[in-house]
Amino acid sequence: GQQVMQIPQYQHVQEGEDFTTYCNSSTTLSNIQWYKQRPGGHPVFLIQLVKSGEVKKQKRLTFQFGEAKKNSSLHITATQTTDVGTYFCAGQDQAGTALIFGKGTTLSVSS
Amino acid sequence: GAVVSQHPSWVICKSGTSVKIECRSLDFQATTMFWYRQFPKQSLMLMATSNEGSKATYEQGVEKDKFLINHASLTLSTLTVTSAHPEDSSFYICSARVGGWSPLHFGNGTRLTVT
Repeated sequence: GQQVMQIPQYQHVQEGEDFTTYCNSSTTLSNIQWYKQRPGGHPVFLIQLVKSGEVKKQKRLTFQFGEAKKNSSLHITATQTTDVGTYFCAGQDQAGTALIFGKGTTLSVSS
Repeated sequence: GAVVSQHPSWVICKSGTSVKIECRSLDFQATTMFWYRQFPKQSLMLMATSNEGSKATYEQGVEKDKFLINHASLTLSTLTVTSAHPEDSSFYICSARVGGWSPLHFGNGTRLTVT
């Protein structure tokens, strides 16, 4: 079945440093979505990428969708303590069925 | 918009009892809802897809007789953990989406502890 792999599992950075998490699917996706979960909270939708090679920005966050629609990345520039949490990518297959989540990357930031 | 409410937020029950968790879409109709399970510091594992008016679709390895799902209306899905055991202790999260290709909106989750 469809698998979504995400690396790294954990990342610790100093405030102000950049951070990137990578996501790779075993199958071609119709779209990929990114969610953020704060400790003790529930996942919150960040963005959805649909087009091949798509790049979207949200302030310090840059999201990319690969040309083959099988991989994606989230890059945070100049991290802040408010960026702490676990970032999940989630892929939806061509049939539009349920989202399959990657294992997530937990980001910690020290000031 | 697109608010999903989940109740209860946490529950403690004794081994052998059953627990019902409710998931409601407050401001939209959801023909499909999804139930996830999350262990501490792990990812969300899809348990089942709840379809309004029909049987739920369970993922491989999920016992349908243990995790009963009912989606009786366009705004309510319930998950009942039957004859709960300590290994069922986990964080259960429901989600729904407005359309087939739109993002998921998650409930706040239910932390179940079975003693």
